[in-house]
Amino acid sequence: GENVEQHPSTLSVQEGDSAVIKCTYSDSASNYFPWYKQELGKRPQLIIDIRSNVGEKKDQRIAVTLNKTAKHFSLHITETQPEDSAVYFCAATPDTGGFKTIFGAGTRLFVKA
Amino acid sequence: GAGVSQTPSNKVTEKGKYVELRCDPISGHTALYWYRQSLGQGPEFLIYFQGTGAADDSGLPNDRFFAVRPEGSVSTLKIQRTERGDSAVYLCASSLGLAGGDTQYFGPGTRLTVL
Repeated sequence: GENVEQHPSTLSVQEGDSAVIKCTYSDSASNYFPWYKQELGKRPQLIIDIRSNVGEKKDQRIAVTLNKTAKHFSLHITETQPEDSAVYFCAATPDTGGFKTIFGAGTRLFVKA
Repeated sequence: GAGVSQTPSNKVTEKGKYVELRCDPISGHTALYWYRQSLGQGPEFLIYFQGTGAADDSGLPNDRFFAVRPEGSVSTLKIQRTERGDSAVYLCASSLGLAGGDTQYFGPGTRLTVL
């Protein structure tokens, strides 16, 4: 089955700097890769996603890149702000044939003001 | 409309007891997912439904766990003979169900504590 690994587990950056979180997956059938942000005590919320027919996607300060050959994808946050502090999860899902979603273990991002 | 809701928000039970956790998905969403999230971990897939049927229950840890969705809307996760290791936040999510790439919307979770 699918296995998703996420690094680093903790990331601390200065406000205004960039943050990069990386994930690898094992199942070549995975075609959809969402990223979720979870604040303390809150539910996970989708912040951006990417499909296997796209190499990069950007939404304001957030971008995601996908290398399907190498089976890894990354989240990039530019101009970080204190409100970006949260736990971020990557996930992998097959686009067809089943909706089982496997999450990474999460990255706790601290943005220091 | 309203988002995904889950009840109760907190459940404290004793080892060996039976518990039921309820999930109300977004109206019109045919896919419903259950996850378990332990402290400091990502959501762990348990089961997902497409309509009334359990399309994939490969994540259920053992036969003490069971879930139903009899009318294709509300779902109940049932745990028999609870153990301390079952303590976690149980998250429910729903999506349109058109493809695996549909956005999943999560509920607030039920925090289960087994004493």
